[in-house]
Amino acid sequence: KQEVTQIPAALSVPEGENLVLNCSFTDSAIYNLQWFRQDPGKGLTSLLLIQSSQREQTSGRLNASLDKSSGRSTLYIAASQPGDSATYLCAVEEGAQKLVFGQGTRLTINP
Amino acid sequence: EAGVTQSPTHLIKTRGQQATLRCSPISGHTSVYWYQQALGLGLQFLLWYDEGEERNRGNFPPRFSGRQFPNYSSELNVNALELEDSALYLCASSLGAGGWSDTQYFGPGTRLTVL
Repeated sequence: KQEVTQIPAALSVPEGENLVLNCSFTDSAIYNLQWFRQDPGKGLTSLLLIQSSQREQTSGRLNASLDKSSGRSTLYIAASQPGDSATYLCAVEEGAQKLVFGQGTRLTINP
Repeated sequence: EAGVTQSPTHLIKTRGQQATLRCSPISGHTSVYWYQQALGLGLQFLLWYDEGEERNRGNFPPRFSGRQFPNYSSELNVNALELEDSALYLCASSLGAGGWSDTQYFGPGTRLTVL
């Protein structure tokens, strides 16, 4: 059974810092990995999707990497801003469009 | 372009009742997904519908059911509600797998409270 773990569970950093969120998964037979952002009480916003054949994806200040063989992904956020405060979720697709989510990292950027 | 919409925003029911949640996908999307986000359990996959057919189902009891209409909108029904069904129910849509994975776009969710 696929299990997705995100570390740390919560992170608080001052504005302007670069930071890394971690995601690990137990079964490397995945189709893709996605990073999402969730604001309190709201739905999810897809940030980046990395296909299993890719190593990384970039969007603005965000960069996500994937190492399928070791079952790891990182989300790098450069020059963090207070508006980046949210919960970040990692999810792997293990086939038939089923996403398995981690528990998330709650990020707080302090002005 | 309108995103995924869900109704109602909030729903309050009592134990044993039935709840019906609705979802309208992004125009042009044929796949609809349902997820449950319960406190302390994280997001769990419930159901996937594509072209009106149920394609995949998560580890939930049969009292969780749904359907997809010809216009690709979807309904999630939860029968015989239990207290632990209280959660945020998220709907997502995508273009339609056709054998390939594609990005799922999420709606704002329906907050179901069972008293």
